[in-house]
Amino acid sequence: AQKITQTQPGMFVQEKEAVTLDCTYDTSDQSYGLFWYKQPSSGEMIFLIYQGSYDEQNATEGRYSLNFQKARKSANLVISASQLGDSAMYFCAMRELLSISGGSYIPTFGRGTSLIVHP
Amino acid sequence: DTGVSQNPRHKITKRGQNVTFRCDPISEHNRLYWYRQTLGQGPEFLTYFQNEAQLEKSRLLSDRFSAERPKGSFSTLEIQRTEQGDSAMYLCASSGGLSGTNEKLFFGSGTQLSVL
Repeated sequence: AQKITQTQPGMFVQEKEAVTLDCTYDTSDQSYGLFWYKQPSSGEMIFLIYQGSYDEQNATEGRYSLNFQKARKSANLVISASQLGDSAMYFCAMRELLSISGGSYIPTFGRGTSLIVHP
Repeated sequence: DTGVSQNPRHKITKRGQNVTFRCDPISEHNRLYWYRQTLGQGPEFLTYFQNEAQLEKSRLLSDRFSAERPKGSFSTLEIQRTEQGDSAMYLCASSGGLSGTNEKLFFGSGTQLSVL
């Protein structure tokens, strides 16, 4: 079963508008972390935002915010005031307390969403 | 902080040849990860080092793959007898500090492997 599901292969948004990228996750752990990374065409993955499973407030980092709905196991990324430079692949990832053999924190990534910002 | 460095950026090889990639993590980071990414997919975990110890290996890592991290600094990933299915982007990431669920990864730009 997929640990991280990103159902939107591609999204389009007009410059200066807001866009929401969906992410749902599957875990039986109580303690976990959720991340969003951006991957421009250059290939380097760039950390955007983090949400802890025990955090009561939604995380925000500048124009990025994470809409965390724990009961629904969703962690959607909201980008406000989109810019042309936001065009990239976006990956949702989860870090659990238990990994493949237990004890290590190995992040698992979704398939990503391609975002294109139109001028 | 010079970031995570990976070499080479691109590698083209013939099927059956051996290839080796290198990753230099951020100097103070003791944890190092290798991922593989194919077109249209997210990164898939391959292996993980804490200092020089290889603590985790994915089932994806066949016997043809081997990774090392001598002295807990740079790491190498070797693929023997390459196959066309090995064509992918190989990403290296590092992290440091206290290990936990909030630990973010710092990625290199990857090595793009093409097996002809």
